[in-house]
Amino acid sequence: EDQVTQSPEALRLQEGESSSLNCSYTVSGLRGLFWYRQDPGKGPEFLFTLYSAGEEKEKERLKATLTKKESFLHITAPKPEDSATYLCAVQAGWGGGNKLTFGTGTQLKVEL
Amino acid sequence: SAVISQKPSRDICQRGTSLTIQCQVDSQVTMMFWYRQQPGQSLTLIATANQGSEATYESGFVIDKFPISRPNLTFSTLTVSNMSPEDSSIYLCSVGEGGETQYFGPGTRLLVL
Repeated sequence: EDQVTQSPEALRLQEGESSSLNCSYTVSGLRGLFWYRQDPGKGPEFLFTLYSAGEEKEKERLKATLTKKESFLHITAPKPEDSATYLCAVQAGWGGGNKLTFGTGTQLKVEL
Repeated sequence: SAVISQKPSRDICQRGTSLTIQCQVDSQVTMMFWYRQQPGQSLTLIATANQGSEATYESGFVIDKFPISRPNLTFSTLTVSNMSPEDSSIYLCSVGEGGETQYFGPGTRLLVL
């Protein structure tokens, strides 16, 4: 059974204090790993898709990386507007159809 | 990416009743999905809404409890039937092309009393 574990559950940073969020996964043949941002009262907003180990993608202050067992979402010099819950999900390539298996998320709070 | 809307955005319902949630997309999409996000838990796929055929349900979800319609390539409904307080959750639809990246609607927040 596919599993996704995210850590930490919650993270409080000062503005400008860089850090990383972790997503560990077990999946029967990775088809894709996805990062989403979710603000309170809203649906998940797509950030990145990673397909193979060694791949990296960047968007503004965010950079996502992928290994065979985990993914990291690096946040460089965060601002208060980066406060949100960050969700990781995997899609299996072998008989998994189009199903996304999600972790429970990391709740990020960036303070002034 | 497609613009997705859901109705209602939130509702409070009495146990034993049913609620139908609508999902509308501004362009034709092949794949539409329904997820549930219970408090403090991860998003869980309920079913894939197939156009022109019955929905495909995940383990633990059944058609009698969560009937789904997909009359065309831009619209789907999810009904939560015979509700109990355990059905209180956020219900989200998502769309995807080619089975890859999925884009989510704003969600429907349901409270069952």
